Amino acid sequence: AQSVTQLDSHVSVSEGTPVLLRCNYSSSYSPSLFWYVQHPNKGLQLLLKYTSAATLVKGINGFEAEFKKSETSFHLTKPSAHMSDAAEYFCVVSDSGGGADGLTFGKGTHLIIQP
Amino acid sequence: DVKVTQSSRYLVKRTGEKVFLECVQDMDHENMFWYRQDPGLGLRLIYFSYDVKMKEKGDIPEGYSVSREKKERFSLILESASTNQTSMYLCASSPRPPLAGGRADTQYFGPGTRLTVL
Repeated sequence: AQSVTQLDSHVSVSEGTPVLLRCNYSSSYSPSLFWYVQHPNKGLQLLLKYTSAATLVKGINGFEAEFKKSETSFHLTKPSAHMSDAAEYFCVVSDSGGGADGLTFGKGTHLIIQP
Repeated sequence: DVKVTQSSRYLVKRTGEKVFLECVQDMDHENMFWYRQDPGLGLRLIYFSYDVKMKEKGDIPEGYSVSREKKERFSLILESASTNQTSMYLCASSPRPPLAGGRADTQYFGPGTRLTVL
């Protein structure tokens, strides 16, 4: 069985300051992990994914995430927030060992950027 | 670029009506998925399909059915719409069937259909 927990439902930062969105997962197998972003009234867009290669994964728009097996975490970071980063972010885990489609979505973190 | 399109962005229907939500992808993907998205609940899988005429129940299939007559098109059907089916519906596709023990691949999402049932 797999699950994913996004630790914050809302995160608010000032423009130009670092962003940290937290995600913890559980998986019986070696997981794949994804971060998706959803801007208002839009579909989900892939930011980055981890599939057992390098533990530090770089994505689009300056975002990156680090897979830490010992902490079962996959936190999303960005050094400097931009107003256009305001959106909903979803952490997703895929259990390679089972499940029909294999993806489990977190409940989302709403990122607010203060001017 | 992969493109996933959904037939309507906004839809308003009455209780008891039969509702069709259409999804088309243009990248020859084998897998297609229907999710509903509700505040505080994230995305929940309704149905998915690995091939033409093939369908599998997701986590919340009750009250829904699907149809996949062509590879590029995956339809979600609400046989008799109810107010608790008011939601955002998202369609997605991905490039290959997940193999036993294999890894799920990236899913590509459409813009969503916001359905209101009165």
